[in-house]
Amino acid sequence: RKEVEQDPGPFNVPEGATVAFNCTYSNSASQSFFWYRQDCRKEPKLLMSVYSSGNEDGRFTAQLNRASQYISLLIRDSKLSDSATYLCVVNEGNTGKLIFGQGTTLQVKP
Amino acid sequence: EPEVTQTPSHQVTQMGQEVILRCVPISNHLYFYWYRQILGQKVEFLVSFYNNEISEKSEIFDDQFSVERPDGSNFTLKIRSTKLEDSAMYFCASTYAGYSNQPQHFGDGTRLSIL
Repeated sequence: RKEVEQDPGPFNVPEGATVAFNCTYSNSASQSFFWYRQDCRKEPKLLMSVYSSGNEDGRFTAQLNRASQYISLLIRDSKLSDSATYLCVVNEGNTGKLIFGQGTTLQVKP
Repeated sequence: EPEVTQTPSHQVTQMGQEVILRCVPISNHLYFYWYRQILGQKVEFLVSFYNNEISEKSEIFDDQFSVERPDGSNFTLKIRSTKLEDSAMYFCASTYAGYSNQPQHFGDGTRLSIL
């Protein structure tokens, strides 16, 4: 079983749409969770950390379900500039080692 | 905003040659990491480094790889005898503290092409 699993997509949505991405992780002892954004052949950039209570940053909402080992990202009112690959990232312990999912590609169309 | 910088942006090397990739982490950060991403694949952890020692390394990080902090600012990844399969984007990252909830800040990467 993959350590961090995501639907690769692509998700093709019109501007203004709401889109949700899901991610599952295999290690129940995982401690910290993040969503990163990666544009084509660029570095991963932190979008947001994911907290147990769920958290929101503008149009972006992240949720964590530890019992189901499941993380989600909701993007409301999609913009053309949201087109990118969204990486689900897990830190299993205190070593700092990040485990990346394969990423979910989003294409927002006019 | 302070950022992690990496040089060169693109390195082309003959198979079997040594290559050194350079990184300047954010100045007050203490924990340093290297990752790689083969084209079309996911980002993979290589090594973490703190207090002039390797904290953890992956199976990918074999005897051909080494890391060093030669001075107060640079953090380098050396591949001693490159193979075709070493072709990838290599990303350096850093954090101030080593706690798992600290987001890592990535440099813009070095694209390594082995011929």
